[in-house]
Amino acid sequence: GAVVSQHPSWVICKSGTSVKIECRSLDFQATTMFWYRQFPKQSLMLMATSNEGSKATYEQGVEKDKFLINHASLTLSTLTVTSAHPEDSSFYICSARDLGHSSNRPQHFGDGTRLSIL
Amino acid sequence: GQNIDQPTEMTATEGAIVQINCTYQTSGFNGLFWYQQHAGEAPTFLSYNVLDGLEEKGRFSSFLSRSKGYSYLLLKELQMKDSASYLCAYMDSNYQLIWGAGTKLIIKP
Repeated sequence: GAVVSQHPSWVICKSGTSVKIECRSLDFQATTMFWYRQFPKQSLMLMATSNEGSKATYEQGVEKDKFLINHASLTLSTLTVTSAHPEDSSFYICSARDLGHSSNRPQHFGDGTRLSIL
Repeated sequence: GQNIDQPTEMTATEGAIVQINCTYQTSGFNGLFWYQQHAGEAPTFLSYNVLDGLEEKGRFSSFLSRSKGYSYLLLKELQMKDSASYLCAYMDSNYQLIWGAGTKLIIKP
């Protein structure tokens, strides 16, 4: 089945550091990738929709200058958390949808990145 | 607008059957999904319904009524490993998933 690879799976770093998270679709092309954040015991919160070759669409309340998204190819999207602070500590999950817009193709999730800012 | 609801938490006994309900309100609809999420892990796909009726897949079944804006996930022969959060989500007219808050299912021996 479709596989989405997310890297790294765990990051611990000091406050002020910028962290890049990669999301790759391994066996299909994804024009659209999604970035979610999930705090403990809470549901998934969509941060932004990443579109290949164009600017990402950010959800209300998400700072585009802090969470930089680049979707340079049909198989790779990156999320960079710039100047991360302890309140940015969370579980970040990417997902990708198949190239076709057929609605019976679910979003396939990466394994997530647990970010801890000290 | 986006409106999707499911119970926060449910408890069931190993070997039993449990039904997790999900209701939604939307003007644009392209199907309803159920995902399973274990603590600390990413969600995994369980089922997809776009037409009314019941879809059965092993111990798990999912039902959809579009006219009622209602779906349920039915889990049979519960096992301890089924303890997880179950997320329902509908796909809107822009093919974007709108997520419920998730139902935490606790299985007791």
